[in-house]
Order: sequence, then C-alpha cells, then structure tokens
Amino acid sequence: QSVLTQPPSVSAAPGQKVTISCSGSSSNIGNNYVSWYQQLPGAAPKLLIYENNKRPSGIPDRFSGSKSGTSATLGITGLQTGDEADYYCGTWDSSLSAGKVFGGGTKLTVL
Amino acid sequence: EVQLVESGGGLVQPGGSLRLSCAASGFTFSTYAMSWVRQAPGKGLEWVSSLSGSSGSTYYADSVKGRFTISRDNSKNTLYLQMNSLRAEDTAVYYCAKDPYSSSWYGIEYWGQGTLVTVSS
Repeated sequence: QSVLTQPPSVSAAPGQKVTISCSGSSSNIGNNYVSWYQQLPGAAPKLLIYENNKRPSGIPDRFSGSKSGTSATLGITGLQTGDEADYYCGTWDSSLSAGKVFGGGTKLTVL
Repeated sequence: EVQLVESGGGLVQPGGSLRLSCAASGFTFSTYAMSWVRQAPGKGLEWVSSLSGSSGSTYYADSVKGRFTISRDNSKNTLYLQMNSLRAEDTAVYYCAKDPYSSSWYGIEYWGQGTLVTVSS
C-alpha cells in the first residue's frame, strides 16, 4: 500500500491530453515539493517534473505539473506513442518515519 | 554528464549479506544527498534510504531499518548500501540516485541503471 495514491492506469488517443492524479496528506504533499518520474519499459526512471511544476532541461513543455493542497497532477498534452510508460509521483514525508515516498504508479496507454 | 553506476548485486541466500556500490561522476559528489530506491519485479518504486550531503543525516524505510546501512566515501565518489539479514521480499532492482540538493528532503534528479538483487535459497 503506497503512501501516495495514483490511478493504476489511464489511456487516451494520440494527440489527446491526459492527467494523472496523486493524492497524499499534510505530512507529505501538503508541505513538501512533488516530483514526477517517467519509467519507459525496461528502463530506469527519469525525472519529468520537480518542485511541483518545473521541468528539467530537455523535457518538452507537453509535460506539466501542478499542486493544490494535498494533491498533485501531471498533465501530458499532444500524446505520442512514445509516452507509453509508467508514471510515478514522489515527495518527502515529514512524519515520524521521515523519508521519500512514491505513488504506486500509473500505466499510461496511448491507444 | 552525471553518471551513476551500480554494482554488487547478485544471488544471495535468505539471512545473507550483500554490499551494493554506486560509482558517481560528473558532479561534486560530496555536496549532494544520495539515495537508494528499489523496485521488486513487476512492482512500483520503493524508497530504501537517503544520506544527506553535508550533515550526513541518514534516513531509512521502516522495511529495512536495522538491517541496511547507507554510507558514502567522498574520496572515492562512491555510495554504498550494506544489506544484512536479507529476506525474499528484498528481491528487487536497486537504483542509486542523486538528489538535487544537499538535503534529502527533495526528489530525485538522476537515476542509475540499477543492479538486481535476488534473495533465494
């Protein structure tokens, strides 16, 4: 059972837009920055979004992040078949057992 | 270019020990927090441990606390994970990761390619 809650799967057609939600609590998302990671099949994860809504260099602006209260959202526009991957949200949890926490992951299918 | 290269994975019996290493290059290693994250076969990401850059503070997931030890040798630009009392549920690909700052309270900026640890008799 992951500390952060994500939908197991989402799907959309090429060219369309999709959003992936990530729900947490005041001890994690509510008071810390959220990051998003993309994991292509057979590959290591890669940073997509950091500090809620910033993109590392090389990440296209089709990817966006936002945060409100204890939830965060990853948005992907202009979907491409190459976007098919698992997406994870992550943040720091400031509770008694402090540490990084991840969502369970969302499998994106581009139909 | 940041590079993180893990080594030390392999097959180990339940109750055994293993030490993972992560050779880092392309950045000032001593300045940054570093982490280990694992992924069991077909499962999601699970954070294992982090080590801050300057303060040397360490953090562990409850599932490994008391069994795993994270450490670093700044003179060798190398991160370690000593794993003792290994269990079948520790079987996973272990990723070495670089945090974006000295503090461990942020996300992960770069990931290594991972090393597979299999705990089985």
